[in-house]
Amino acid sequence: DSGVTQTPKHLITATGQRVTLRCSPRSGDLSVYWYQQSLDQGLQFLIQYYNGEERAKGNILERFSAQQFPDLHSELNLSSLELGDSALYFCASSVGQGAFPYEQYFGPGTRLTVT
Amino acid sequence: EDQVTQSPEALRLQEGESSSLNCSYTVSGLRGLFWYRQDPGKGPEFLFTLYSAGEEKEKERLKATLTKKESFLHITAPKPEDSATYLCAVQGYRANNLFFGTGTRLTVIP
Repeated sequence: DSGVTQTPKHLITATGQRVTLRCSPRSGDLSVYWYQQSLDQGLQFLIQYYNGEERAKGNILERFSAQQFPDLHSELNLSSLELGDSALYFCASSVGQGAFPYEQYFGPGTRLTVT
Repeated sequence: EDQVTQSPEALRLQEGESSSLNCSYTVSGLRGLFWYRQDPGKGPEFLFTLYSAGEEKEKERLKATLTKKESFLHITAPKPEDSATYLCAVQGYRANNLFFGTGTRLTVIP
């Protein structure tokens, strides 16, 4: 158990809908990262938050957004969903931003299916 | 641009048959190279971090090594429970996120 929690475990929704994925980082970790894993693309970085502020963006679509709250949990919002958004969404956390040690610990993921 | 290439894509081993997985990387200023294990439908599980060429780390039947261009994950006398996808990732000084390879899917046959 990495100490990172994600809810829900599974989500099935229809095209055009909006969903929210939730992540709680390990105790003491200030950075939260969101990754998307699809069958044909592997793990792709979406966005990073550090202590409530957005710090880096990767291949995140404009239909997607995220935020980190004062208690450090984070939410990833996906809107106007398309079939191609079906994937596993992982949250990871680390101690700091660019601070040693650098490893990131991953949650169990949310499997999103868009029908 | 950061690049990570893992080979082979898939590997089938008999129980006890040792082998190595390869991770070739290109990154501007390596902060760390990471190995993760991922079981189907689960989150990646952290195994090792390597920081500089020549470094080696071991955990049970796994040993990770690092050169300036690649890393190897050596699996000694594997068991069926070692079956998983092994992911390699790099982090450069210009980014905080991890850049992942597509993984090696290892199957160990009893």
